[in-house]
Amino acid sequence: GAGVSQTPSNKVTEKGKYVELRCDPISGHTALYWYRQSLGQGPEFLIYFQGTGAADDSGLPNDRFFAVRPEGSVSTLKIQRTERGDSAVYLCASTGGGTGGYNEQFFGPGTRLTVL
Amino acid sequence: ILNVEQSPQSLHVQEGDSTNFTCSFPSSNFYALHWYRWETAKSPEALFVMTLNGDEKKKGRISATLNTKEGYSYLYIKGSQPEDSATYLCASSGNTPLVFGKGTRLSVIA
Repeated sequence: GAGVSQTPSNKVTEKGKYVELRCDPISGHTALYWYRQSLGQGPEFLIYFQGTGAADDSGLPNDRFFAVRPEGSVSTLKIQRTERGDSAVYLCASTGGGTGGYNEQFFGPGTRLTVL
Repeated sequence: ILNVEQSPQSLHVQEGDSTNFTCSFPSSNFYALHWYRWETAKSPEALFVMTLNGDEKKKGRISATLNTKEGYSYLYIKGSQPEDSATYLCASSGNTPLVFGKGTRLSVIA
């Protein structure tokens, strides 16, 4: 079946612009996660949704970052007033279970964001 | 704050060699240890999720062990093949979201 998909695969923007990154999880998966991988680092947790609600947004670095999942499936990560330090690969993952601690996560291929 | 360390950072081996790398994590409040393989231009793929001290899991030529008391896990690859070239990530969960290490980048030379 279809895996997790993310669009766009690459996004180049200018400092100060607004961007939206989209994630389509595996159909029926209730939990959805966003991570950010900066150069030379491992993926870093940003936010976790259980259904439509953000169960844990403790990883969002500041109020320029926001994510929604209005119908409990597709999620959009929104970044306002982008900065060069936001350049990274943004990964999305989904699971059919709860917090994800015990469940393997199914990842999308990521969106590579470059802020010039 | 959970801190997950992986070593070595990178590794080059010849085709047919066996290899292993390490993931260390805090042993307190441990829930689960995940291993993922991430090939360039592809999605990270789950290899193993382990929860119990002494767990050993195997998938083909790849196996992993877990020691939750001392806070480490080993990943072994037997008879490395060029298609094993990838970054291998481990992640630990302690009733928190997954915390990933920086990965071990494996290159298998034919």
